[in-house]
Amino acid sequence: LAKTTQPISMDSYEGQEVNITCSHNNIATNDYITWYQQFPSQGPRFIIQGYKTKVTNEVASLFIPADRKSSTLSLPRVSLSDTAVYYCLVGDIITGGFKTIFGAGTRLFVKA
Amino acid sequence: SQTIHQWPATLVQPVGSPLSLECTVEGTSNPNLYWYRQAAGRGLQLLFYSVGIGQISSEVPQNLSASRPQDRQFILSSKKLLLSDSGFYLCAWSPRGGHQVLPFGEGSWLTVV
Repeated sequence: LAKTTQPISMDSYEGQEVNITCSHNNIATNDYITWYQQFPSQGPRFIIQGYKTKVTNEVASLFIPADRKSSTLSLPRVSLSDTAVYYCLVGDIITGGFKTIFGAGTRLFVKA
Repeated sequence: SQTIHQWPATLVQPVGSPLSLECTVEGTSNPNLYWYRQAAGRGLQLLFYSVGIGQISSEVPQNLSASRPQDRQFILSSKKLLLSDSGFYLCAWSPRGGHQVLPFGEGSWLTVV
């Protein structure tokens, strides 16, 4: 059962802001929202994590509305090197640990 | 600091041969451990996860198996590989009870021929 829904792909140009939205209608009270970036032949890399409202770090911002049924990853002024697949994950806590299931992700292609 | 390593990085195996991929985590204890597979151009598929020694949960029926003989060691195995087992295999860990931030290993490219 899929827990998150993201656009399959997005195109952008260098210097633009990119917003990728993820839907997670069945998010549970204890779930956190986490975003990862993956380049070809590499493991996913953690970008940002949040629970509600807005979180910002040195690479991205994460916007989460009050109902937490969606979230938006914002990448400011993208460059060619931001071309990658971006995954949105919602925490699925089971007894003693997490069962972490990735969705299909969003392929971002940044053009010059 | 915590580190995660998996090996081998690349291997080419004939159909019907066995497989063993190993993953170890350093600098932490009682981690949750995961094995994922990624076919070319596809998303990540959770294969196995483990919350403790000897405790393995399988997400997808297949001819692969996993074992956790030690707290920080996670092994992915197969007795007889199929062509469909080809892909990029990734090991990951998360802290017990912590938030869902998964450091991943370097990955292992498996080509079954």
